[in-house]
Amino acid sequence: QQQVKQSPQSLIVQKGGIPIINCAYENTAFDYFPWYQQFPGKGPALLIAIRPDVSEKKEGRFTISFNKSAKQFSLHIMDSQPGDSATYFCAASGRSNYQLIWGAGTKLIIKP
Amino acid sequence: ETGVTQTPRHLVMGMTNKKSLKCEQHLGHNAMYWYKQSAKKPLELMFVYSLEERVENNSVPSRFSPECPNSSHLFLHLHTLQPEDSALYLCASSPQQGRNEQFFGPGTRLTVL
Repeated sequence: QQQVKQSPQSLIVQKGGIPIINCAYENTAFDYFPWYQQFPGKGPALLIAIRPDVSEKKEGRFTISFNKSAKQFSLHIMDSQPGDSATYFCAASGRSNYQLIWGAGTKLIIKP
Repeated sequence: ETGVTQTPRHLVMGMTNKKSLKCEQHLGHNAMYWYKQSAKKPLELMFVYSLEERVENNSVPSRFSPECPNSSHLFLHLHTLQPEDSALYLCASSPQQGRNEQFFGPGTRLTVL
């Protein structure tokens, strides 16, 4: 119940395409869903986050879509660029325990 | 230096060695975290310190021993590790414990021979 399942494990997209990374959770008490981006040799950095009172959030080229009934959320990257090549992690936490539960990560490669 | 720094960046040690990982945050945060990152696995939270008190210890083997002497520094003392402990060890900090953005250091790549 505490798991967050992330897919795909790896993804290759042509420049300008829209990669989509999906995450699913079981614990209905989760109410905070961040996405982190990690470049080689660096630690993860917060990219964008959403709470379940909205179904979508956009920040620049990055969009989170949230489906509360399906207990799924996804990250979309518009007009993807080679510089977006990185590993992306979804996570979730709830009010009773602020600990972040992490997905296993998606290694994204954007081909020029 | 700014942000969260970690030293050393790379460490190779034998199973009988004792070593320490160091983390320093320059952000004025009150909470600090140790994570273990293994390939193709979710980040594993090891320890959480809030205002220098350990508030979470996620069933981590006793061969890992954390120390938080002040709100800016965090150490992870290692002794008699196993090869399966080889991983990237990440330190993070946040303004306070809870649902705040966590700021990560670059990690220490640990190899246990």
